[in-house]
Amino acid sequence: DVKVTQSSRYLVKRTGEKVFLECVQDMDHENMFWYRQDPGLGLRLIYFSYDVKMKEKGDIPEGYSVSREKKERFSLILESASTNQTSMYLCASSLLAGASGGGETQYFGPGTRLLVL
Amino acid sequence: KNQVEQSPQSLIILEGKNCTLQCNYTVSPFSNLRWYKQDTGRGPVSLTIMTFSENTKSNGRYTATLDADTKQSSLHITASQLSDSASYICVVSHMFSGGYNKLIFGAGTRLAVHP
Repeated sequence: DVKVTQSSRYLVKRTGEKVFLECVQDMDHENMFWYRQDPGLGLRLIYFSYDVKMKEKGDIPEGYSVSREKKERFSLILESASTNQTSMYLCASSLLAGASGGGETQYFGPGTRLLVL
Repeated sequence: KNQVEQSPQSLIILEGKNCTLQCNYTVSPFSNLRWYKQDTGRGPVSLTIMTFSENTKSNGRYTATLDADTKQSSLHITASQLSDSASYICVVSHMFSGGYNKLIFGAGTRLAVHP
């Protein structure tokens, strides 16, 4: 079974802090994604990566950056956390290099619920 | 605008009953449609996937249908169980130039199954 793990289930940070969310997958997937999920809205894509050191902006990249130094690990960085970044953050991975995940099933981690005070 | 709308927003049914969740989309061109189940506090898990040419797909007690002409899909749950309590998310894959696909997520239907 594919396993996608996220470093924290819950995080509480203060406004202005730098926040790191880590995601690791164990199935050698090329694609990795970061989404945020807010009540009443569908998942929104922040960034994705289809290869090591490669990254592409999603629909809402503002205020975020990412890092992919190893194939299995994809990090989401909030350079200066703000209250409107309070959300559930979901990481996902999939096969099929070169596409933003439409052709293959995405496997999701359990999510990190971030509260910014 | 490419959108996916789901109805109802929430639903309560009694254990053992059937239910149907709806998904309407305006995504074009369309590649495939998936239904995901998301338990509380967990990430979504794929239930079914259908391409343009498929109009029904089953996974145990879950049956998804697709009408690509009317751009509608439904997820039917038979003989519901308490463990079916979750959010069900409809996801449509949008093909755009360069051969890339983008996933458009619905907001989900929150289902509660009561004993």
